[in-house]
Amino acid sequence: GQNIDQPTEMTATEGAIVQINCTYQTSGFNGLFWYQQHAGEAPTFLSYNVLDGLEEKGRFSSFLSRSKGYSYLLLKELQMKDSASYLCAVSRVSGTYKYIFGTGTRLKVLA
Amino acid sequence: GAGVSQSPSNKVTEKGKDVELRCDPISGHTALYWYRQSLGQGLEFLIYFQGNSAPDKSGLPSDRFSAERTGGSVSTLTIQRTQQEDSAVYLCASSPGTVSYEQYFGPGTRLTVT
Repeated sequence: GQNIDQPTEMTATEGAIVQINCTYQTSGFNGLFWYQQHAGEAPTFLSYNVLDGLEEKGRFSSFLSRSKGYSYLLLKELQMKDSASYLCAVSRVSGTYKYIFGTGTRLKVLA
Repeated sequence: GAGVSQSPSNKVTEKGKDVELRCDPISGHTALYWYRQSLGQGLEFLIYFQGNSAPDKSGLPSDRFSAERTGGSVSTLTIQRTQQEDSAVYLCASSPGTVSYEQYFGPGTRLTVT
């Protein structure tokens, strides 16, 4: 079956670094996306990994290991506005359910 | 440019009534997705349209749910004989192509079934 796991909740301090992990099991894997969702708002795109390795974009980086079915999102220099849910999503090139989202990790940034 | 828009933003309906939710994707985007999100939960995939291909309806939870996309643009999600468990935020997203592209989400329709 298809499965995505990520921690439910994390807490970190302003200015710190936090790593949000995501593991997945799926057939027909194409790539992995991370989205940010503030409470009461729609998700917005953060990153996309299709090849193994690290993609860096400002304070945010995302890593993918296709062989291990593992990804992480790294947030540096945390700011209060980073308090949000972070959704891991897998896209598939074959079969049904082209996009599968994890349940999200709720990140609280404390002053 | 204009983003994805959805209407209505809020809908309260009585159990057993039918509802229609509308999505206007970004112009030129060939792919369109519908999701459902219950309070504090992740996104549940409902249906996916890509160009002129047959839609992927694998996520529709029951035959009370249906969706269409007219002219490759506007989409309508219809829920017949609504039940209380249908209460959720319904999100629509569009993307320029297939599964390698990021999705742009609309603001959602909050559906409450009383």
